[in-house]
Amino acid sequence: DGGITQSPKYLFRKEGQNVTLSCEQNLNHDAMYWYRQDPGQGLRLIYYSQIVNDFQKGDIAEGYSVSREKKESFPLTVTSAQKNPTAFYLCASRPGTRETGELFFGEGSRLTVL
Amino acid sequence: GDSVTQMEGPVTLSEEAFLTINCTYTATGYPSLFWYVQYPGEGLQLLLKATKADDKGSNKGFEATYRKETTSFHLEKGSVQVSDSAVYFCALSGGSNYKLTFGKGTLLTVNP
Repeated sequence: DGGITQSPKYLFRKEGQNVTLSCEQNLNHDAMYWYRQDPGQGLRLIYYSQIVNDFQKGDIAEGYSVSREKKESFPLTVTSAQKNPTAFYLCASRPGTRETGELFFGEGSRLTVL
Repeated sequence: GDSVTQMEGPVTLSEEAFLTINCTYTATGYPSLFWYVQYPGEGLQLLLKATKADDKGSNKGFEATYRKETTSFHLEKGSVQVSDSAVYFCALSGGSNYKLTFGKGTLLTVNP
């Protein structure tokens, strides 16, 4: 079955540590996105990538980094510079640039900083 | 910039009640509009969408009509079920990068 796989589902981190969240898709979609979800704040865009080897900052990119070396993979690193990293992180993808804009989401990764 | 405002929850209804969740938007041009649903501990699933003015999106008994004159996309269902309990997000897509802008979400709880 085609879809988006995020791992791990739950992750605990000590303050000062970097952590990388995995996102893999086998939908052959060109664009991929990372959103952060906090209670009462909806979803906020962290980074997005429309093609391989290219990505852009979203609304809350500070303290995060990404790479897009392969079409199917878009890992997110939460660095120690992120002041409040505890959140639910959602990866999404979209077909080519001529689509209506619908995103397909993974199941999410919940990061807790101890 | 683009923005979405949706009615704040939580909303609590009895089974078979009528549901309305209001959503209004601000955007340049002609965005596409979406409703997503999120069940506890899961990612978001597309519920319905509309891509131009006066379009009606529908799925699983839910409906929403793209109203350009009032910049609205209200979600409705005639008879809710316990299984509809979830968080509902209104969203719009605009611009060349097709990133989605989301509302803050509305928690719906349906009691038997």
